[in-house]
Amino acid sequence: DAKTTQPTSMDCAEGRAANLPCNHSTISGNEYVYWYRQIHSQGPQYIIHGLKNNETNEMASLIITEDRKSSTLILPHATLRDTAVYYCIVMSNTGTASKLTFGTGTRLQVTL
Amino acid sequence: DGGITQSPKYLFRKEGQNVTLSCEQNLNHDAMYWYRQDPGQGLRLIYYSQIVNDFQKGDIAEGYSVSREKKESFPLTVTSAQKNPTAFYLCASSPPPDRGHTGELFFGEGSRLTVL
Repeated sequence: DAKTTQPTSMDCAEGRAANLPCNHSTISGNEYVYWYRQIHSQGPQYIIHGLKNNETNEMASLIITEDRKSSTLILPHATLRDTAVYYCIVMSNTGTASKLTFGTGTRLQVTL
Repeated sequence: DGGITQSPKYLFRKEGQNVTLSCEQNLNHDAMYWYRQDPGQGLRLIYYSQIVNDFQKGDIAEGYSVSREKKESFPLTVTSAQKNPTAFYLCASSPPPDRGHTGELFFGEGSRLTVL
């Protein structure tokens, strides 16, 4: 599985856009980029995923570079409730199982 | 509502005792997983199961055991052989990638085990 590199922590002012980067330079052609977040002491929550095109949903936007070696998760208007650890993951399928490998993620702190 | 239920949420046990954590899902997902999380760390895969009566070791399976007798259930036993069992345990499930999904994981709320 391709490994990912994320900054350990980031701060963002409430109401501003939070841009969380992720490097995945060893990603292979059929691997997806997934983003999850984990609020303290809860289970991770799926945010968004993509293969090569940019994606947007009600929670966030995902921008993947053309060479697919890096991506950015964008929370367009961060709120205090977005304070969490954000995990960037590259997915490898093993049969029907998705063996996602979670690193330590980026701790996003949204402040007033 | 569909989802994944883990129990208990908090569990205290004495050293040397086996402990079983429950995980039930009503999402009709084929695959289920157990992860362990230590403070300030990411998630590490313990075991996963793709279908009933089948399961595979993950990255840190030593000291743990699982069973998958029913599609809905994937209990994890933390045995006395696990050297440092105090941790946050997360169960997840996923639909197969060929049903319009790409295999994203759905997580339970976790079980926090403390061994005294």
